Amino acid sequence: EPEVTQTPSHQVTQMGQEVILRCVPISNHLYFYWYRQILGQKVEFLVSFYNNEISEKSEIFDDQFSVERPDGSNFTLKIRSTKLEDSAMYFCASSNGLAGNNEQFFGPGTRLTVL
Amino acid sequence: KNEVEQSPQNLTAQEGEFITINCSYSVGISALHWLQQHPGGGIVSLFMLSSGKKKHGRLIATINIQEKHSSLHITASHPRDSAVYICAVGGQGNLIFGKGTKLSVKP
Repeated sequence: EPEVTQTPSHQVTQMGQEVILRCVPISNHLYFYWYRQILGQKVEFLVSFYNNEISEKSEIFDDQFSVERPDGSNFTLKIRSTKLEDSAMYFCASSNGLAGNNEQFFGPGTRLTVL
Repeated sequence: KNEVEQSPQNLTAQEGEFITINCSYSVGISALHWLQQHPGGGIVSLFMLSSGKKKHGRLIATINIQEKHSSLHITASHPRDSAVYICAVGGQGNLIFGKGTKLSVKP
């Protein structure tokens, strides 16, 4: 069964460093998403991506964040200069259609720890 | 302002019990999603529904669009059902998540 994969599973970095989180969505899906979940809190939407551009982003997704689909399979989230408060679980998801009324398939997550 | 409210926050049940988790929302939606988050953190989609009722195995989800309320039921609960159950609502572009209900089923 096709699945969304994410690498690495755990990333530890120093404050101020750049990190790139990688995702491989399900191959025939067209919509891609990043979410984050700070420990003990609810899942929060970061950004959605369709047709090689950002379709929607939240207030959290500021200039420190960027997304890219560098080739036909990978979907990446870059945090330019990490802060302590960026420590969270980051989930990638993909779907056939818009998130609101299409089933989303989530990756296993990347746990980011900023020291 | 909480757009998606779940109750209860925590729920402990004995194996075999019938379980209900509730979700209320305040925004207009095109569909409501029930998700399961395992202790290791992974998230699995259980249901997506925009009206009526859906059933999958021992899980049943219902939604009342007029009342902006949905319920997730688990029949004959089992310890392997222990997880966080998350309600999320979708308009068009993204999902708004509830805080989740942590379910623990004791043998």
